[in-house]
Amino acid sequence: EVQLVESGGGLVQPGRSLRLSCAASGFIFDDYAMYWVRQAPGKGLEWVSGISWNSGSIGYADSVKGRFTISRDNAKNSLYLQMNTLRAEDTALYYCVRGGYSYGPGYSFDYWGQGTLVTVSS
Amino acid sequence: QSVLTQPPSASGTPGQRVPISCSGSSSNIGSNPVSWYQQLPGTAPKLLISSNDQRPSGVPDRFSGSKSGTSASLAISGLQSEDEADYYCAAWDDSLNGEVFGGGTKLTVL
Repeated sequence: EVQLVESGGGLVQPGRSLRLSCAASGFIFDDYAMYWVRQAPGKGLEWVSGISWNSGSIGYADSVKGRFTISRDNAKNSLYLQMNTLRAEDTALYYCVRGGYSYGPGYSFDYWGQGTLVTVSS
Repeated sequence: QSVLTQPPSASGTPGQRVPISCSGSSSNIGSNPVSWYQQLPGTAPKLLISSNDQRPSGVPDRFSGSKSGTSASLAISGLQSEDEADYYCAAWDDSLNGEVFGGGTKLTVL
């Protein structure tokens, strides 16, 4: 059974940093591109970042470019999101999502974690 | 403001057929396949339709997807109370080099 379990969320002050983790199991992790998608309270879904199986292709939404860094450790079956210079508008539930065999178009997000909540407030 | 445009709400009575539209542009829907996600209250989104019209294993055939040009549509036939949820369309955008979502459509079963 595919499982994606996020952790690392919490309450953080504006301007501070936070690192999210996602532990994957039930599939061959390094076969798949992985993504982070967020959802602000009461709002819709927003793609945040994505990474190919070998970290060779990486992308970010304009809203987080230069502040967030995605990475993965295939030996640990884990995905990460380093979030720096956090803003109030980064407050959201952050989902770890499995993509396809290739980074980019042509694949759906077929498995989602339950999310970890990040709240940016003073 | 979402890149893909969906109606904010839709409704129907049990047994009815309800369509949900999704409008985009040549850089997203016009170039790449569309996915649809269902988000039941308080839960994570779930893949409902992939590659415009493909249902993953376990998704009832009451759900169907289609795409034409820069627009896509999700249709739910034989509407049931458990279909009450938020529905999102999505596609890769070649200009933004990332996935874009619609703003979501809240489906109410009357």
